[in-house]
Amino acid sequence: SQQGEEDPQALSIQEGENATMNCSYKTSINNLQWYRQNSGRGLVHLILIRSNEREKHSGRLRVTLDTSKKSSSLLITASRAADTASYFCATDAGTNAGKSTFGDGTTLTVKP
Amino acid sequence: NAGVMQNPRHLVRRRGQEARLRCSPMKGHSHVYWYRQLPEEGLKFMVYLQKENIIDESGMPKERFSAEFPKEGPSILRIQQVVRGDSAAYFCASSPHRQETQYFGPGTRLLVL
Repeated sequence: SQQGEEDPQALSIQEGENATMNCSYKTSINNLQWYRQNSGRGLVHLILIRSNEREKHSGRLRVTLDTSKKSSSLLITASRAADTASYFCATDAGTNAGKSTFGDGTTLTVKP
Repeated sequence: NAGVMQNPRHLVRRRGQEARLRCSPMKGHSHVYWYRQLPEEGLKFMVYLQKENIIDESGMPKERFSAEFPKEGPSILRIQQVVRGDSAAYFCASSPHRQETQYFGPGTRLLVL
């Protein structure tokens, strides 16, 4: 079963608007990470949130984690055209600690 | 501190040939992970290695694929007798410890003709 499923699959917004992406997972986790991938490029790590944390901020990014609902959200405030990319969540689960399980990502398009 | 290095960045092979992908982790990182990404999909875990040891290879195909992380030198992902379905981007990541942030390399894009 897929661990780490992003929602929506695609999101298109205007520059300056906020973008919210959600991630759901199925089993208990040690931590959850969000990554960005520009088309045809490698992954850039954004934020790691541990299972005992509820919220983390980094610049215009805000990540929340609700372990009771097995879900996380990534909020990008005041979006810019440069934020256009695919965003992935990755979970590091208990008994398989070490490897990360990725969803298929949310493709965000920010129109100037 | 250089990031994770992967080479080659692009690799073209004909069916039946061998592909060798290299990954040099960040300095001080002894944990290496390999992932495969098909077009329009997320990354799929293949194998997790720590120096000279395979910790988890649950994502590796049973045949033709192997990985190593020797005491000296880069980690190598080897694909023997490649088939068209092996065409994908292969990413390597490294971390200093288990359950820590994984830093990704730029990937190797393998094309099998």
